[in-house]
Amino acid sequence: DAGVIQSPRHEVTEMGQEVTLRCKPISGHNSLFWYRQTMMRGLELLIYFNNNVPIDDSGMPEDRFSAKMPNASFSTLKIQPSEPRDSAVYFCASSLVGPTDTQYFGPGTRLTVL
Amino acid sequence: GESVGLHLPTLSVQEGDNSIINCAYSNSASDYFIWYKQESGKGPQFIIDIRSNMDKRQGQRVTVLLNKTVKHLSLQIAATQPGDSAVYFCAEDGGYQKVTFGTGTKLQVIP
Repeated sequence: DAGVIQSPRHEVTEMGQEVTLRCKPISGHNSLFWYRQTMMRGLELLIYFNNNVPIDDSGMPEDRFSAKMPNASFSTLKIQPSEPRDSAVYFCASSLVGPTDTQYFGPGTRLTVL
Repeated sequence: GESVGLHLPTLSVQEGDNSIINCAYSNSASDYFIWYKQESGKGPQFIIDIRSNMDKRQGQRVTVLLNKTVKHLSLQIAATQPGDSAVYFCAEDGGYQKVTFGTGTKLQVIP
């Protein structure tokens, strides 16, 4: 298996622009997670899907952030409009059943908002 | 995928020595704990886990110890190798199917 796939690996954009991050979970995994990692706040869970349905989005910072999972093999995290404080590494992870199963992380997308 | 660095506690260990990385948790209701390893430029990788009905669990070169009385978790790495250099996170499931990650400890292996 190729593991969790994320794209792009690096994204540099200007403040106010829309950013879309993409994730393909491991085939057969029913849960998908989006995390944000920064120096100041560490690794934070943004949102968690189970069977393509958002279960917990309490970590989503504000309305500028949205996430979708249209099918079992694809998810997006969108930031519109982006701000410099959104600069971080965004990880997608998947697990077989739920959050307390082993989570397999993708390589991350490093986002820089100028 | 690099994580924090400047503000992380750092443990420096000579190659071949044993490493002990500690983690304190705050939620006495947590019943599942996981250790992750994050190498520079990569996402976190599962190492080992333990449930609250156990005090100790061993893997290959790694051992996790759980002390529920003082809410303390440790990861022991035997015969530390240069490839063990990374940031190590403990994570806990405090209930409601939500796993919370700690801030991490950076392990530096000195050749």
